[in-house]
Amino acid sequence: DGGITQSPKYLFRKEGQNVTLSCEQNLNHDAMYWYRQDPGQGLRLIYYSQIVNDFQKGDIAEGYSVSREKKESFPLTVTSAQKNPTAFYLCASVKGQGNQPQHFGDGTRLSIL
Amino acid sequence: GENVEQHPSTLSVQEGDSAVIKCTYSDSASNYFPWYKQELGKGPQLIIDIRSNVGEKKDQRIAVTLNKTAKHFSLHITETQPEDSAVYFCAAKGGGSEKLVFGKGTKLTVNP
Repeated sequence: DGGITQSPKYLFRKEGQNVTLSCEQNLNHDAMYWYRQDPGQGLRLIYYSQIVNDFQKGDIAEGYSVSREKKESFPLTVTSAQKNPTAFYLCASVKGQGNQPQHFGDGTRLSIL
Repeated sequence: GENVEQHPSTLSVQEGDSAVIKCTYSDSASNYFPWYKQELGKGPQLIIDIRSNVGEKKDQRIAVTLNKTAKHFSLHITETQPEDSAVYFCAAKGGGSEKLVFGKGTKLTVNP
């Protein structure tokens, strides 16, 4: 089955620690996105990538970093500079450009120890 | 940039009734409007979408209407069932942009 896989489902971070969230897709989609979801806040865009080796900042990129070395993979690193990292993180992908729907993974919930 | 407002934030209906969720957008160049359903602990799932060249689209019990002049679009769910209970998000994509802007969501509860 094709789809988007996010791992782990739950993640805990200690103070001063960087953590990396995984996102893999086998849909042969070109563009990938990372969103942060907080209660009552909807989905806010962190970073997105339309092609391999290229990515752009979204609305809340501070304290996060990404890489896009392969078409299938778009990992997100939550750095120690992100002072309020507790949230539900969602990865999405879309085929090509234009008006196509984004497909989402089932998210990673990050909490602070 | 684009801004999307969604109302109401919570909606409670009796099973069998209809539910309507409304969204407004700010960028008149926006041309793509998807709706997503999110169940607890899961990622959003696309339920219906509409493009700016049509005014209405239906898929069984779900319909979406778009008023480009007023810059608003609505989700209509008829004959609601308890399994329709979830959080629903609207979104808009501006012309020339590859980014979706989401509303803040509506928590729909369908009471048996």
